Amino acid sequence: SQQGEEDPQALSIQEGENATMNCSYKTSINNLQWYRQNSGRGLVHLILIRSNEREKHSGRLRVTLDTSKKSSSLLITASRAADTASYFCATDAPGATNKLIFGTGTLLAVQP
Amino acid sequence: DSGVTQTPKHLITATGQRVTLRCSPRSGDLSVYWYQQSLDQGLQFLIQYYNGEERAKGNILERFSAQQFPDLHSELNLSSLELGDSALYFCASSVVGTRSGELFFGEGSRLTVL
Repeated sequence: SQQGEEDPQALSIQEGENATMNCSYKTSINNLQWYRQNSGRGLVHLILIRSNEREKHSGRLRVTLDTSKKSSSLLITASRAADTASYFCATDAPGATNKLIFGTGTLLAVQP
Repeated sequence: DSGVTQTPKHLITATGQRVTLRCSPRSGDLSVYWYQQSLDQGLQFLIQYYNGEERAKGNILERFSAQQFPDLHSELNLSSLELGDSALYFCASSVVGTRSGELFFGEGSRLTVL
């Protein structure tokens, strides 16, 4: 079973716009990670945020974490056509730190 | 290039058959993870090995088995294949074994069962 669910399932925006994806999870976590997957390819790690952090930045990416609401958001600013991909959140739980559980993913399409 | 190598990239076989998927982790990584990705189930964690020992188990069927060898490469064996086993199988590796960190994924092995 999946720990996280991303929202929306699909998102289509124009180049230059910002894209926001949300992830909700069910149990307490040690950390939350975001990954990107180009169609049919392997996943690529984007960013990791620990349970005691509330916000983290990496280049054009901004991740927030609200443990009280069991949710996280990924913001991609000034999107580019090359950002077109599926984005997944992944969580691990205390006592199960080796089991990184992935959400359902958001398919982002950035139109040039 | 993540440094994780998976073979074969594509595999087509028939129901009832057995296949072996191979994974070479990044140099220096002791942990290997196997995931299955299908349209209806999404990304499912199957199993993790750390330095040759099984460390965590997920939704792995009894028909499936895995091992990690002394040279740290890993193999996932799928037997008595069914149509529903058709999926993309990913291997990932990481340095750590007991605390989650970044996973490095291979490009996957696409299995088609006819």
